[in-house]
Amino acid sequence: KNEVEQSPQNLTAQEGEFITINCSYSVGISALHWLQQHPGGGIVSLFMLSSGKKKHGRLIATINIQEKHSSLHITASHPRDSAVYICAVRGADGLTFGKGTHLIIQP
Amino acid sequence: EAGVTQFPSHSVIEKGQTVTLRCDPISGHDNLYWYRRVMGKEIKFLLHFVKESKQDESGMPNNRFLAERTGGTYSTLKVQPAELEDSGVYFCASSQDPSSTGLKGYEQYFGPGTRLTVT
Repeated sequence: KNEVEQSPQNLTAQEGEFITINCSYSVGISALHWLQQHPGGGIVSLFMLSSGKKKHGRLIATINIQEKHSSLHITASHPRDSAVYICAVRGADGLTFGKGTHLIIQP
Repeated sequence: EAGVTQFPSHSVIEKGQTVTLRCDPISGHDNLYWYRRVMGKEIKFLLHFVKESKQDESGMPNNRFLAERTGGTYSTLKVQPAELEDSGVYFCASSQDPSSTGLKGYEQYFGPGTRLTVT
């Protein structure tokens, strides 16, 4: 069974700061997802990646398969980025989720 | 294109009552998943449908939970009788068939969730 660890668990930053959220997993995977859950509950898929790096607007996701590690970066953070960011890895037994990183961006 | 929808958005019931949650996947998505997030814990997989068949129901907590997907379209998740520990947010997600769409088929689209409170 894959163990998914996210860090930090909670992060408070000022508007404009560069944000990094990390995800490590224990067993090889076929893909990794970064998800965003806003207050109010809905989940949005931000990225799905299996290698390298993806960029979407101010969001960047990277993955290092050899090191079993992924990072989610937010550039020029904004209060509307405040949410829970969840890492989920796809293995032989489906998706395994991390506990999430609760991000608060203060104006 | 409409996304994944779930109904109701919130449900408050008493212990021992029955509740049925509904999920409408994105049209054409054969794969439908149910997940649950209990307060303070990570999201946990419940089960996976491929069309109308249960592909994997290893995450269903016990026989008080019954999921159906008649006709391979929408799905229902019934909890009967509900217990206090069933409280949480129930998410549904859908995806295409990876055998025909490659890696893109693994991308799951999540619904807004149903917040269930059992008192």
